[in-house]
Amino acid sequence: DAKTTQPPSMDCAEGRAANLPCNHSTISGNEYVYWYRQIHSQGPQYIIHGLKNNETNEMASLIITEDRKSSTLILPHATLRDTAVYYCIVINAGGTSYGKLTFGQGTILTVHP
Amino acid sequence: ETGVTQSPTHLIKTRGQQVTLRCSSQSGHNTVSWYQQALGQGPQFIFQYYREEENGRGNFPPRFSGLQFPNYSSELNVNALELDDSALYLCASKVQGMNSPLHFGNGTRLTVT
Repeated sequence: DAKTTQPPSMDCAEGRAANLPCNHSTISGNEYVYWYRQIHSQGPQYIIHGLKNNETNEMASLIITEDRKSSTLILPHATLRDTAVYYCIVINAGGTSYGKLTFGQGTILTVHP
Repeated sequence: ETGVTQSPTHLIKTRGQQVTLRCSSQSGHNTVSWYQQALGQGPQFIFQYYREEENGRGNFPPRFSGLQFPNYSSELNVNALELDDSALYLCASKVQGMNSPLHFGNGTRLTVT
């Protein structure tokens, strides 16, 4: 699975959009970009995933560059409850090894009042 | 639908003892994975089970073992506990072979003294 690089920490004001970047320059054609977050003392929570096209759900939007070497997770209106560690993970989601996610250090997002 | 549930939520054991952690997967999910998360680190993959057989393992010794039952519940067993086994143990489940997200429970916090 391709390696990902994320900034160690980011700050965001409450009500503003939070844009979390992720680099995955070695991603291959059949690998998806998945985003999870982990709020203190809880298990990781699935946010969104995508292959090529931009995706949006009730939680966030995912923007993937045309060459697929990087992506951005957007939380459109951050709240204090969005303070968490955000993980960008690249994986062949249809493969038999999908249960094996490789978590990096992630980005600690702190939302300020 | 019910989520992934784990029991107990907290556990204290003594070095050298054995422990069994339990997980109830989300309904319809036939793949379960277990992760270990040390304080301040991202989750580390231990192993995964599909149709009651182990089909992937991370860099963990044989004293970490598991079981998956026909009703998709599962267990993580750790023998000869060591102080470094103190961690949050996470269970996650999904439907194998489909591009669907892995869903995590909130974990069992194990403390080895």
